[in-house]
Amino acid sequence: KAGVTQTPRYLIKTRGQQVTLSCSPISGHRSVSWYQQTPGQGLQFLFEYFSETQRNKGNFPGRFSGRQFSNSRSEMNVSTLELGDSALYLCASGRTSGGANPYEQYFGPGTRLTVT
Amino acid sequence: AQSVTQPDIHITVSEGASLELRCNYSYGATPYLFWYVQSPGQGLQLLLKYFSGDTLVQGIKGFEAEFKRSQSSFNLRKPSVHWSDAAEYFCAVGASDGGNKLVFGAGTILRVKS
Repeated sequence: KAGVTQTPRYLIKTRGQQVTLSCSPISGHRSVSWYQQTPGQGLQFLFEYFSETQRNKGNFPGRFSGRQFSNSRSEMNVSTLELGDSALYLCASGRTSGGANPYEQYFGPGTRLTVT
Repeated sequence: AQSVTQPDIHITVSEGASLELRCNYSYGATPYLFWYVQSPGQGLQLLLKYFSGDTLVQGIKGFEAEFKRSQSSFNLRKPSVHWSDAAEYFCAVGASDGGNKLVFGAGTILRVKS
């Protein structure tokens, strides 16, 4: 079974621009979560989508948004990029239904975003 | 709110030596606990998980962890470390505020010396 895929793997953007990152979960998984990883703040939860609905949201400004499609693929968007948005953005997929263990998630390789 | 503390930022062990990485959590009810490993430039790989039942859980790559409710701990162990185990290790707990949210510790960087 294929794992979680994220595209692109690397991205360089300029301050003020916007960016869209994509995540395809493991087949059959309907939950997709996004995390931001930085050396200073560690791993921080951005949001989670399940069956196209945002189920939880972390403490990030409204510039960070996401969505999920009917095939469970998810995108996250960051508008008006700031230097501090430079990070590794990780996507995680999970089942959360059909007897699956709660919270059990599998991570993709991440998208490394550099804002200059 | 839940929190996870990994007291050791860096740990260095010799190849073949045993390993224990510490994790303490804060959670009111029975927690859902995880250990993940991250190699440089990579995503997180699930090593093992605890939901209920036997407090000693086995994972991949020869790792195990023991849940101790009285100490609010979930320490990761390996009897004999290999050079390929050098990576960063994260302990996580399932949050109680809905969905699949995980709260992570700050991580422990493991260095293996030959």
